[in-house]
Amino acid sequence: NAGVMQNPRHLVRRRGQEARLRCSPMKGHSHVYWYRQLPEEGLKFMVYLQKENIIDESGMPKERFSAEFPKEGPSILRIQQVVRGDSAAYFCASSPGQGARNTEAFFGQGTRLTVV
Amino acid sequence: DQQVKQNSPSLSVQEGRISILNCDYTNSMFDYFLWYKKYPAEGPTFLISISSIKDKNEDGRFTVFLNKSAKHLSLHIVPSQPGDSAVYFCAASEMGSNYKLTFGKGTLLTVNP
Repeated sequence: NAGVMQNPRHLVRRRGQEARLRCSPMKGHSHVYWYRQLPEEGLKFMVYLQKENIIDESGMPKERFSAEFPKEGPSILRIQQVVRGDSAAYFCASSPGQGARNTEAFFGQGTRLTVV
Repeated sequence: DQQVKQNSPSLSVQEGRISILNCDYTNSMFDYFLWYKKYPAEGPTFLISISSIKDKNEDGRFTVFLNKSAKHLSLHIVPSQPGDSAVYFCAASEMGSNYKLTFGKGTLLTVNP
C-alpha cells in the first residue's frame, strides 16, 4: 500500500523558470492538501483540492502559484517565474473523504525546491 | 502573526527519562490539536491528537495534555528512546475547517543513549 508519493524529491530552478511539483495521493484518497515549509519555519497551509475542484486556496499566493487535481493523474502545484523566496520544502497530504479529521491525512516526503 | 508557538527550538534528554514538549496557541477557535513527528528528509507523521473537550489523551508512551484556559498543550514521552529523536510539530485546526492545519515551528528532540 503505497503512501503519498511526491516527485521530484529535489528540484532546482533558475529564477524566472517554472516549477511543477507532483503529488499522487494514497489509494482511495480523493482529498489533497499542499503545505509549504520555509527554512526555520513550520508548515503553512496552501491549498485544499478534491478531484477537479479547488475547495480552499486561502493560503496560496495570489500570483504565480496555481494548483490542480485532475480527474486522472496526480495533483500538480505549479509555480511560475520562480524567485529565490520560493525556495522551500513543499509537502502534499491526502485523506480519504470529506470531513475527515486531520488525523487521517498522510503526508508525502516532500519536494525540496531550490531557486538559484 | 504566529497562532501556534513552540518556544523551545530544541530539547535534549537522556534515554529512559521523560521528554516534555510544549506548545502555546492564541486562536480561541482552535478545537483540535495534533502532534506530528518528522525525521529529516521525510514528511510529518501523525503521532497523537486531542479534542478541546478533553484535557488528556494517552497512547502508549505518548500523552498529550491540554489546558484550554492557558491555551497551552504539552506532549509527554515516557520513557524516551533514541529513536524518538526527531522534530516535533504542534498543530491545530478550527471547527468548520478541520482540514486546515496551523503548525508551530517545531522542537528538535534529541534523546541521548
